Amino acid sequence: QQQVKQSPQSLIVQKGGISIINCAYENTAFDYFPWYQQFPGKGPALLIAIRPDVSEKKEGRFTISFNKSAKQFSLHIMDSQPGDSATYFCAASFGNEKLTFGTGTRLTIIP
Amino acid sequence: DGGITQSPKYLFRKEGQNVTLSCEQNLNHDAMYWYRQDPGQGLRLIYYSQIVNDFQKGDIAEGYSVSREKKESFPLTVTSAQKNPTAFYLCASIIRAKNHGGGYTFGSGTRLTVV
Repeated sequence: QQQVKQSPQSLIVQKGGISIINCAYENTAFDYFPWYQQFPGKGPALLIAIRPDVSEKKEGRFTISFNKSAKQFSLHIMDSQPGDSATYFCAASFGNEKLTFGTGTRLTIIP
Repeated sequence: DGGITQSPKYLFRKEGQNVTLSCEQNLNHDAMYWYRQDPGQGLRLIYYSQIVNDFQKGDIAEGYSVSREKKESFPLTVTSAQKNPTAFYLCASIIRAKNHGGGYTFGSGTRLTVV
């Protein structure tokens, strides 16, 4: 049973554009929703995280939008740069432990 | 510098052979996790341990075993019972504190290939 569904599987965005990755979850007990960034051959690194008591969180060019009623959350990357090219994973958990991950989105930023 | 060290970076296993992947952290984190990463499937939880001398199965524990004799160490053994072990294995750790804002810290992974 896949509890966190992520889309799209791959995404190509022009430099300077907005990259948007979406996730949907099923377990209403989840209360911690992080996004991880992974470069080839490396482990994922925490990018930004949100809890369901807020609808949006922004850190630099990265924003999480959260819709509790729809059980959806998304990552927006503003002014996308070639260095943002990586695989992004959404995840969810209860109490920030034992994360359940989405299947990942391979983002490519083209000049 | 604090972090998680996984070794080896690359590992080759022959059919019927057990191999052990090392994971060591100097972050004083309480909980440690092993995930398996396959293309198109994301990260799937194999085993996790929240305290020393205790661990629980994750979603895909069959064919794997772990131990947690020290807080810093959480080795994963891939046994001959795991029929499709070729994958990228990731170890992670986290502080167990209520409302702790931080996420997992991941190691750099071990790529296991069956030859």
